[in-house]
Amino acid sequence: DIQMTQSPSSLSASVGDRVTITCRASQSIASYLNWYQQKPGKAPKLLIYAASSLQSGVPSRFSGSGSGTYFTLTINSLQPEDFATYFCQQSYNTPPLTFGGGTKVEIK
Amino acid sequence: QVQLQESGPGLVKPSETLSLTCTVSGASISSHYWTWIRQPPGKGLEWIGFIYYSGSTYYNPSLKSRVTISVDTSKNQFFLKLSSVAAADTAVYYCARVEEGTVYWGQGTTVTVSS
Repeated sequence: DIQMTQSPSSLSASVGDRVTITCRASQSIASYLNWYQQKPGKAPKLLIYAASSLQSGVPSRFSGSGSGTYFTLTINSLQPEDFATYFCQQSYNTPPLTFGGGTKVEIK
Repeated sequence: QVQLQESGPGLVKPSETLSLTCTVSGASISSHYWTWIRQPPGKGLEWIGFIYYSGSTYYNPSLKSRVTISVDTSKNQFFLKLSSVAAADTAVYYCARVEEGTVYWGQGTTVTVSS
C-alpha cells in the first residue's frame, strides 16, 4: 500500500503569513493527490484535487503543487478562518484510501 | 447537491456490534463508490472500507475480520457493522462518496465504546 507522510505535524503562524505543508508518497502517484481542511468538530472539506486544481468555492490563497512523490499545499496570507488541520490523500491506487497524518495550523 | 447523513447509536458496549446507517440524498447510490472512514479523538483518518452499489466490497485489512459493509439501493442507504468493539473503536465515523478517488464527506457521527 502507498504510505503518505506529512510534515510538519503542527506549526504556529500569524495572520498574513505564508504557510507551506508538505506531503510525501512512498511511491510515485503522478498527480493523484488531494488536500482537505478540517476544522474542530467538522468533517474534512476538499480544498485541492489532482495536486493543483482548486475546488470550486475555495479561496485563491490556497494552492497546491507537486507530482510523483513530493507535494506541497501553500496558504498565502493566512486568514483567521484558515487555522485548522490539513490532510493529504492519495487517489492513485484505491482501495485503500490512504491519508497523511495531518498538519495542525495554530495561531502564533 | 449530494448529502450524506450518518445515523446510529452513539454508545456501544465493549464486545458488542457497532451498527451505522448512511442515508444518501441528492444522488443515486447506484453510482460511484461509497465508503466509511473513522477518526479517533485527536488522531488522524482511518479508512474502513468501500462498497459499490453492486455489493462489491473492499476492506481495510486491519479491520477486515470485524467489518461488514452493505447497501440497500431501494432505500439509497449503505451500512457499517463492526463487531467485537473495544475502547479503541471510539471515534467519529464518517460515511462518504468516492468519485475518481476524491472523498466527499458526510458530517460524521460520534460513537463511544464504553460499558
